[in-house]
Order: sequence, then C-alpha cells, then structure tokens
Amino acid sequence: AQSVTQLGSHVSVSEGALVLLRCNYSSSVPPYLFWYVQYPNQGLQLLLKYTTGATLVKGINGFEAEFKKSETSFHLTKPSAHMSDAAEYFCAVMDSGYALNFGKGTSLLVTP
Amino acid sequence: ETGVTQTPRHLVMGMTNKKSLKCEQHLGHNAMYWYKQSAKKPLELMFVYNFKEQTENNSVPSRFSPECPNSSHLFLHLHTLQPEDSALYLCASSDARISSDSYEQYFGPGTRLTVT
Repeated sequence: AQSVTQLGSHVSVSEGALVLLRCNYSSSVPPYLFWYVQYPNQGLQLLLKYTTGATLVKGINGFEAEFKKSETSFHLTKPSAHMSDAAEYFCAVMDSGYALNFGKGTSLLVTP
Repeated sequence: ETGVTQTPRHLVMGMTNKKSLKCEQHLGHNAMYWYKQSAKKPLELMFVYNFKEQTENNSVPSRFSPECPNSSHLFLHLHTLQPEDSALYLCASSDARISSDSYEQYFGPGTRLTVT
C-alpha cells in the first residue's frame, strides 16, 4: 500500500526565511503525490501535485516541490516565508482506488 | 455555490441522537469521499463513492452510515455516537475517470462534530 511520512510535526521559521517541509513516500507503483494546506477551521486546499512529467512542480502561493525517485521524497519548499503561510501542511499519495493516503501533517509557525 | 459545500458547519449531539451531515459538490466530479480528522491523528479515510457506488469502507463502525443518492450529493448519517467520534468530518470530491489526468481531491470546509 502507498503511504507517506512527514518528518517533523512542527516547523518554525522566521519571516523571510526558507521553508522546507519534508515528505517521504512508500509506493510499489509510480506515485501520484500531493501537498495540501489547511488553515484553522477550514478544509484542505491543494498546493501542488506531481503525477508525471517534470519533477519540479510549482504550486500556489510561491510553493514548489521536487519529486526525487532515488530518495523517495517530495519535499515542499518556499524561498521566503510570509506570516500568512502559518498553517497545517499535509503530504498525500494516491492509492490504487483514487483515494488519498495522508501523512500526519506538519504545523508551520512563522515568527516575525 | 461553487466547489464543495458542507452543512452544517458545526453540530453538537448527544449519544442517543440521530443526525445527518450533508455534502454537495458543484464540480461535475464522479467520486466523493468522507474523511475524519481528529486531534493528533492523521486524516482517516472513511468511505469512498465512485459513480454513486460505494467502493471503500475502511472498517468504519456501523453507527456511521453513508448515502450517495447521486454523484453530486453525499450524506453521512449518524446514530448512537460516542464521545470519541467528536472530530472534524471532511467531504471531498474528485474526477476519478480513467481518462482524467487530474486526480486531486477538492475538500469542503468540514463539519465540526461534538458528541456529548
């Protein structure tokens, strides 16, 4: 079964600093990978996805992620954090039945 | 209305009550999902409907009963719940056709359920 592991349940960065949220996957087939963001009291919003093609994927709000098969990773980055980026971030992999298997989430704190 | 909507947004119910959660998607999708999000736990997939047929039930207790009358609507009927069922219940939809190249799921805002 496909699964993801998010390293670090909490990450704190200063405003303007690099954001790096880690995600490693386990999959017996070429994976379809996703990053979602969840703001307080809201549902999940898609940031970006990787299905096939270019391994560097750009998403909304200045985020991007790189699919690295050799490292089984799909880490999320943003060059410069904004206060508005504070939220919960979830990595997910699609299983054979189109459902998504989510990681436990990483809470991003941005300090002034 | 656009996207995925859920009603009610908040619900408080006693353990002997019967209530229903409603989800509606306005995206023309054919697959719909129920997830449970509890504090300190990962998102748990509960049910999957594809073209109105239930294709997945992840060992969910029978006190949760899903219903999908058409590809745009999804319900979760609740009865004799336990306090540990208190959580955020999220609905999602996607285009799960083989010909699709989208695959991503679109989520509603969720229903915050409190069982007293």
